[in-house]
Amino acid sequence: SQTIHQWPATLVQPVGSPLSLECTVEGTSNPNLYWYRQAAGRGLQLLFYSVGIGQISSEVPQNLSASRPQDRQFILSSKKLLLSDSGFYLCAWSTGDTGELFFGEGSRLTVL
Amino acid sequence: AQKITQTQPGMFVQEKEAVTLDCTYDTSDPSYGLFWYKQPSSGEMIFLIYQGSYDQQNATEGRYSLNFQKARKSANLVISASQLGDSAMYFCAMNSGGSNYKLTFGKGTLLTVNP
Repeated sequence: SQTIHQWPATLVQPVGSPLSLECTVEGTSNPNLYWYRQAAGRGLQLLFYSVGIGQISSEVPQNLSASRPQDRQFILSSKKLLLSDSGFYLCAWSTGDTGELFFGEGSRLTVL
Repeated sequence: AQKITQTQPGMFVQEKEAVTLDCTYDTSDPSYGLFWYKQPSSGEMIFLIYQGSYDQQNATEGRYSLNFQKARKSANLVISASQLGDSAMYFCAMNSGGSNYKLTFGKGTLLTVNP
């Protein structure tokens, strides 16, 4: 069966520090991969999606970037965090059939 | 562009009763999919139910059913026989044929089940 994991689960970072969140998927090949962000008490905002290795699409201009170095690995990064980057980050994958997303456990980022 | 609207920030229901969570959508694409997700306080997003725009019958999954009214562009979630464990945020989402890679989410409804 397919599984998705992301880490770290929680992190507290100072403004201006770098960020790296990692997500891996097991049990499937060539998945579509996504990074979503959820601000406190709000819905999910799509940040990046990828349909293949090295193929990254950005949905909103921001302080973040994404990379897909391997088929089942998706990384969210920042060189310098802002206070507004705080939130709950969710990685997800889909097969591209119906578009149903399967989510990771989430990473809660607090920027101080 | 596609848009999802959930007008109920919060809902309360008594245990064992049914509850309907509202969702309306907007898209110009004739082919689209509608989804409901549950988010407990732990934060994980749990897929509940899916309805395709060409599906003739309303989707059902156990105690969950989707009341799909295409002409009204609504896709309400009905939870029957509510349980305390149903207390969570519920999100409606959609994708459309031209962009089935991406789900657009509503702002969610916080459901509280009272004993």
